[in-house]
Amino acid sequence: KAGVTQTPRYLIKTRGQQVTLSCSPISGHRSVSWYQQTPGQGLQFLFEYFSETQRNKGNFPGRFSGRQFSNSRSEMNVSTLELGDSALYLCASSARTGTGELFFGEGSRLTVL
Amino acid sequence: GESVGLHLPTLSVQEGDNSIINCAYSNSASDYFIWYKQESGKGPQFIIDIRSNMDKRQGQRVTVLLNKTVKHLSLQIAATQPGDSAVYFCAENMSGATNKLIFGTGTLLAVQP
Repeated sequence: KAGVTQTPRYLIKTRGQQVTLSCSPISGHRSVSWYQQTPGQGLQFLFEYFSETQRNKGNFPGRFSGRQFSNSRSEMNVSTLELGDSALYLCASSARTGTGELFFGEGSRLTVL
Repeated sequence: GESVGLHLPTLSVQEGDNSIINCAYSNSASDYFIWYKQESGKGPQFIIDIRSNMDKRQGQRVTVLLNKTVKHLSLQIAATQPGDSAVYFCAENMSGATNKLIFGTGTLLAVQP
């Protein structure tokens, strides 16, 4: 069974640009979550989608948005990039709700110059 | 301003010894507590979880202990191996209706051969 796939793995952007990251969950998983990982703040929850609906949102500005498609694939978008948005963005999928057993991808490493 | 990197606590153990990694959590209402392992360049990997109505749960070479009185969670790894070297995160799921996890800062486990 294929794991969670994230694309692109690495990308470099400049301040003010926008970026779209993609996540393909494990087949059959309907819950997709996004996390930001930085050396300064650690792992922080961005948002969670289930059956194309945003079920929960973390404490991030409106520049961070996401969506989920009918095939459970998800994208997240960051607009008007800032230097502080440089991070590893991790996507996780799950077949269950409420337990915390998530399957993470290897992440998309974003560098903002 | 410039962000300061998290100073990860480090646990250094000899191969074959038992390891104990500790975590303090914040929300007494959390329903599930989880341990994740993150190797360099990879996403977090689920190890084991424990529900709030339990004190102990065992897996393969791992045991998680939950002390709700002092809001403390620990992960015990038996016969630690070089492949166990990684950063270990505790996490809590505050709602049974979502997969939103709150992660701790992490502990670096270094296994000496």
